Amino acid sequence: AQSVTQLGSHVSVSEGALVLLRCNYSSSVPPYLFWYVQYPNQGLQLLLKYTTGATLVKGINGFEAEFKKSETSFHLTKPSAHMSDAAEYFCAVGNTGNQFYFGTGTSLTVIP
Amino acid sequence: DTAVSQTPKYLVTQMGNDKSIKCEQNLGHDTMYWYKQDSKKFLKIMFSYNNKELIINETVPNRFSPKSPDKAHLNLHINSLELGDSAVYFCASSQEYYSNQPQHFGDGTRLSIL
Repeated sequence: AQSVTQLGSHVSVSEGALVLLRCNYSSSVPPYLFWYVQYPNQGLQLLLKYTTGATLVKGINGFEAEFKKSETSFHLTKPSAHMSDAAEYFCAVGNTGNQFYFGTGTSLTVIP
Repeated sequence: DTAVSQTPKYLVTQMGNDKSIKCEQNLGHDTMYWYKQDSKKFLKIMFSYNNKELIINETVPNRFSPKSPDKAHLNLHINSLELGDSAVYFCASSQEYYSNQPQHFGDGTRLSIL
């Protein structure tokens, strides 16, 4: 069965530091991969997605993620954290059977 | 213009009552979803409709009944509310029912059962 693992339910970084949020998936075939962000009292917004093509994907707000098939990973990074990046981040995976799975989320805190 | 809108935003009610949550999307999407997010932020899909037809019906008590009068609307009716129903309910839509499609979410309905 498909699964999505987000390592670290809480991540804290200093303002200006690198943001790294980890996501691993289990799949026997290349999946479709997404990162969503949820700000307080709001719904999820798409940050970026990988479906095919270039494995390094750039998203909104300076975020990017790299699909690494050999590591079954799709980690989210941003070179320099901003206070406004504090939010909940969800990794999600879709498979060719039209099933869709969300990870359990990572709460990002940015320390001034 | 809000792409996916849910009403109400907050719902506080007594155990045993029946309530409905409405959802509308103006994106022209074919597929709509209902999710439940618990206090630990865990997201669980409840239902999915494609062109008004039920596609996904996860293990959800039959007190929950979705209704899609047209492909722009997916409402959720809940009978005999229980304490465990307290959560945030999100409506979402995607262009098609394919797992490579990103989903667009509403802002959620915060349901509190007293």
